Amino acid sequence: AQSVTQLDSQVPVFEEAPVELRCNYSSSVSVYLFWYVQYPNQGLQLLLKYLSGSTLVESINGFEAEFNKSQTSFHLRKPSVHISDTAEYFCAVSDQDGATNKLIFGTGTLLAVQP
Amino acid sequence: GAVVSQHPSRVICKSGTSVKIECRSLDFQATTMFWYRQFPKKSLMLMATSNEGSKATYEQGVEKDKFLINHASLTLSTLTVTSAHPEDSSFYICSAHEGGNTEAFFGQGTRLTVV
Repeated sequence: AQSVTQLDSQVPVFEEAPVELRCNYSSSVSVYLFWYVQYPNQGLQLLLKYLSGSTLVESINGFEAEFNKSQTSFHLRKPSVHISDTAEYFCAVSDQDGATNKLIFGTGTLLAVQP
Repeated sequence: GAVVSQHPSRVICKSGTSVKIECRSLDFQATTMFWYRQFPKKSLMLMATSNEGSKATYEQGVEKDKFLINHASLTLSTLTVTSAHPEDSSFYICSAHEGGNTEAFFGQGTRLTVV
């Protein structure tokens, strides 16, 4: 069974400052890793994903995440945040067996960007 | 990206009545759909996996007779909350996968309030 830990429930940060949202996972099998973003009263949108290949993956809006197998981490970073980045961010895993594509989510981190 | 439409976005119902939530994949065929429940400031809890043409697979602790799932076509899955009670009030979100695609596409979510 897999599990995902997001230690920070809320991360306050000033606009244009860098930010890191932490994600650690536990699994006995190889996994795919995802970051999703959720704006208030909306569904989830995929931000970025790691399936294979380069361990550093990037999104179109400046976020990046690095898969670190030895530390079982997939932390999300952005060098300079905007007010519009304020949202809930969820880290998720699914096992590479792919039989069910079942996603296991972390508890989420609220990124609160202040002017 | 692919679009998943969830309807209704909000519903208020009286205790004891049933509510049906629809999840449609608009531009792809979804062989698998998932239903999640999200409590305030909590992560998404997977309720069940819905496969087209077969019975849904429920997660441990989820009452299958209370949360009826039907996946009659490749573009539509429904979740019916039967005999709803105030404790069933929550945000329900569906997601859909196309074939062997690893990416999940999420609906906008449904805010259910039982009074």
